[in-house]
Order: sequence, then structure tokens, then C-alpha cells
Amino acid sequence: SQQGEEDPQALSIQEGENATMNCSYKTSINNLQWYRQNSGRGLVHLILIRSNEREKHSGRLRVTLDTSKKSSSLLITASRAADTASYFCATDNYGQNFVFGPGTRLSVLP
Amino acid sequence: EAGVVQSPRYKIIEKKQPVAFWCNPISGHNTLYWYLQNLGQGPELLIRYENEEAVDDSQLPKDRFSAERLKGVDSTLKIQPAELGDSAVYLCASSFSQGGTEAFFGQGTRLTVV
Repeated sequence: SQQGEEDPQALSIQEGENATMNCSYKTSINNLQWYRQNSGRGLVHLILIRSNEREKHSGRLRVTLDTSKKSSSLLITASRAADTASYFCATDNYGQNFVFGPGTRLSVLP
Repeated sequence: EAGVVQSPRYKIIEKKQPVAFWCNPISGHNTLYWYLQNLGQGPELLIRYENEEAVDDSQLPKDRFSAERLKGVDSTLKIQPAELGDSAVYLCASSFSQGGTEAFFGQGTRLTVV
């Protein structure tokens, strides 16, 4: 079963625009992580946010976490064509396994 | 530092044949995962190892799938016999420990069963 659920399933934007994708989950978590997957490749870790953190930044990425709403968002600013990929959130449930959502497919058009 | 290495990258087999995938995790990583990823879906856990012990294999179809992690380093995932529905990408990942750390993924093995 999948704990996280990303929204939207697919997103298409123009280069230079910002992209926002959301993740909702069901049970309490230790931390939440975002991964990127380019077509035909493995997953690449982007950012980890712990349950006691509310916001985290890494370059053009901004992640927020609202544990009261059991949701997280990933914002990519000033998007580039190279950002075209699928983005997954994964929840870490206190020593259990990373549980991935179905992902958001982002297309950045030049 | 080398990442997680998987082989082969691609495999095409006929149904009912056996197949094996190999994974070499990052040196020093105690936790090793095998995930299955269907097209357009997120990865789903098959088995998790802490060193050489399989601590979660609840999602592994044990009638046809088996895995081992000898000496707590490399791991092999086997399917025997393969079915058409096993066509997917098999991903291996490793991390220092479960909980609070990122997982590093290999490129995956794309299996096609015909």
C-alpha cells in the first residue's frame, strides 16, 4: 500500500515558471523525503525534512511540511527543461520502510 | 565514491524461465532495499535487509521470489519461474541505517517477460 499521494499526477509548465507539487500521507511520520526520477533512470534524493521541521531549502527547491494536515509541498523555482522528471515523496514511518507515492510527472517546456 | 550498482540493466526472458538480479550497495551501508516499480507508478518495497538479515519481506511473493544478502554486502534477487506480470523495473537502494537517512538508488534492472 502507498502511504504518500502526490498531487497533481501530471504538471506541465513553461521554462522559468515555478512548479508546485503536493504530497499527502495518512499516518505519523519520522521524516518525509522527496526524490526525482528521470525517464529510465534510478531515483535521486532531493531533500529530507524531519517531522519537527516546517520548511527546508536546497538551491531552487523549497519543501514545506504540515504535520497537522499530514501534507508536504515541493516548490521548484525558476524551472528549467532539465527539471522534467517524475517527483516522488517518500515517508519514513519511525523505523519502518520508505513508502513512496505514485509520483507527479513534471514537464518543463522550453 | 561509487554509487549503488545493479546488473544487468536490461533483461528479456520467456515466461517460466528463471532470472536473477544483482546489487552492490554503497560501501558501509547497512540497509539494503529491493523495490519493484511498474510503469507510471512509485516504487513498492519487496524486501529490506539490515546487514544480512531480512527484516521485512512481507511484500515479497515467496512462492516465486527469493533474495539473499551474503556477508551483509551484495544482494541477489531471484524470480523462478517468471510470469508475464513480473515485467517491471527492479530497483535496489541502500542507506546507512533505516530511519532519518536518505536512500541511494541504483539505475535499476528493466525486466521484460515475453
